Amino acid sequence: NAGVTQTPKFRILKIGQSMTLQCAQDMNHNYMYWYRQDPGMGLKLIYYSVGAGITDKGEVPNGYNVSRSTTEDFPLRLELAAPSQTSVYFCASRTNPGQGSNNYGYTFGSGTRLTVV
Amino acid sequence: QKEVEQNSGPLSVPEGAIASLNCTYSDRGSQSFFWYRQYSGKSPELIMSIYSNGDKEDGRFTAQLNKASQYVSLLIRDSQPSDSATYLCAVQHTGNQFYFGTGTSLTVIP
Repeated sequence: NAGVTQTPKFRILKIGQSMTLQCAQDMNHNYMYWYRQDPGMGLKLIYYSVGAGITDKGEVPNGYNVSRSTTEDFPLRLELAAPSQTSVYFCASRTNPGQGSNNYGYTFGSGTRLTVV
Repeated sequence: QKEVEQNSGPLSVPEGAIASLNCTYSDRGSQSFFWYRQYSGKSPELIMSIYSNGDKEDGRFTAQLNKASQYVSLLIRDSQPSDSATYLCAVQHTGNQFYFGTGTSLTVIP
C-alpha cells in the first residue's frame, strides 16, 4: 500500500514556465486535496475534489488548475509560474464517512518543494 | 473567515514532562478535529482525531475537546526528544474542507 504518492519531490522553474505536479493514491479515497505550505503560514487549500469529475476551489486557487479524471489521480497544473508560487505543495486524500472507517483525517503525500526563479 | 488559532510557540519542555498544546476555532458548526505532527522537512502525520466533547486517549497522547468553549487541546505525557516537531491543529467545518492552524513548535529538552 503506497498511500499518497507525489512527484516530483523537488523542482526549480523559471518565471513563466508551466508544470504539472502529480498526485496518486491507492486507497480508493473519494476526497483529494492540494495544499501549499509557506513558512509560518500554515497549510492553505488550493483545490479539492470529492470524486472523479468533480473539483472545487479552495482558499488560494489563483494561478493553478486541477482535473480529476480518475479516483486515483489528482494532478495540479501551474500555468505561467511566478515567484509567489515558491512553496511546498502537499497532496492529501481521505476516506469519506460511510466507507467503514471511524477515522477520516487526511493522509498526506511527501510533498513537492517548488522554487520559481 | 473560518479561523483556527494556535500559539506558534516555540514551546520547550524537559524530557519526561507533560506538553500541552492548545487550539481555538471560530466556527461553532465545526464537527471534527485533528492533530497532526510535522517534522522539519516532512509531511504532516495524523496522530489524533476527536469528534465529541471530552477526552480521547491514545498511548501518551490525549486530545481534549470542548465545543462550548470552541477549543481543542493535545497533551503529550512523558515527552521524549523524538516528540520535538511542529503540531498542527485541523478543524473540519461543515463541508469537505479542513482548516489548519499555523502550528505550534515543540522542543523537548533532554
